[in-house]
Amino acid sequence: GAGVSQTPSNKVTEKGKYVELRCDPISGHTALYWYRQSLGQGPEFLIYFQGTGAADDSGLPNDRFFAVRPEGSVSTLKIQRTERGDSAVYLCASSLMGHPSYEQYFGPGTRLTVT
Amino acid sequence: AQTVTQSQPEMSVQEAETVTLSCTYDTSESNYYLFWYKQPPSRQMILVIRQEAYKQQNATENRFSVNFQKAAKSFSLKISDSQLGDTAMYFCAFMDTSGTYKYIFGTGTRLKVLA
Repeated sequence: GAGVSQTPSNKVTEKGKYVELRCDPISGHTALYWYRQSLGQGPEFLIYFQGTGAADDSGLPNDRFFAVRPEGSVSTLKIQRTERGDSAVYLCASSLMGHPSYEQYFGPGTRLTVT
Repeated sequence: AQTVTQSQPEMSVQEAETVTLSCTYDTSESNYYLFWYKQPPSRQMILVIRQEAYKQQNATENRFSVNFQKAAKSFSLKISDSQLGDTAMYFCAFMDTSGTYKYIFGTGTRLKVLA
């Protein structure tokens, strides 16, 4: 079956612009996670959705970052007034439920470059 | 707060040989899960192996096995009969069993398998 997909694969934007990154989880997966992976680092947690609601957004770095999952499936990560420090790979993962006994499946990520 | 440390930025191994990747972690939790993920150049994170802290038996998955030392807070990955396709970044990850089941990743070890 289809895995987690993310679009676009790559995004180049100018400093100060607004961007949206999309994640399509595996069908039926209720839990969805966003992570950010900076160069040479491991992924860092941003936000977790259980269904439509953000159960934990403690990883969002500041109020320029926002994410939604209005119908409990597709999620969009939104970044306002982008800064060069936002450049990273943004990874999305989904699992059947939010519990460690259920594997988190990752997408291929969106590489965001802010010039 | 939990932390995960991978002290080997890069390693190499000859094809068909065995290699061990190190990981240490810090937590005050008594129950948690530990994981090893593989990230090839395609960026997609792939689960290699999972260990539940309350299980004393070390997990194994084909050529991959772990040495879990709970008291020492150590979780190393052994790859036997290394193959060229094992060339990738390897990340150790921690997940506690309370809260939102988010991963805390180490900084990774770049493994190169030599022909």
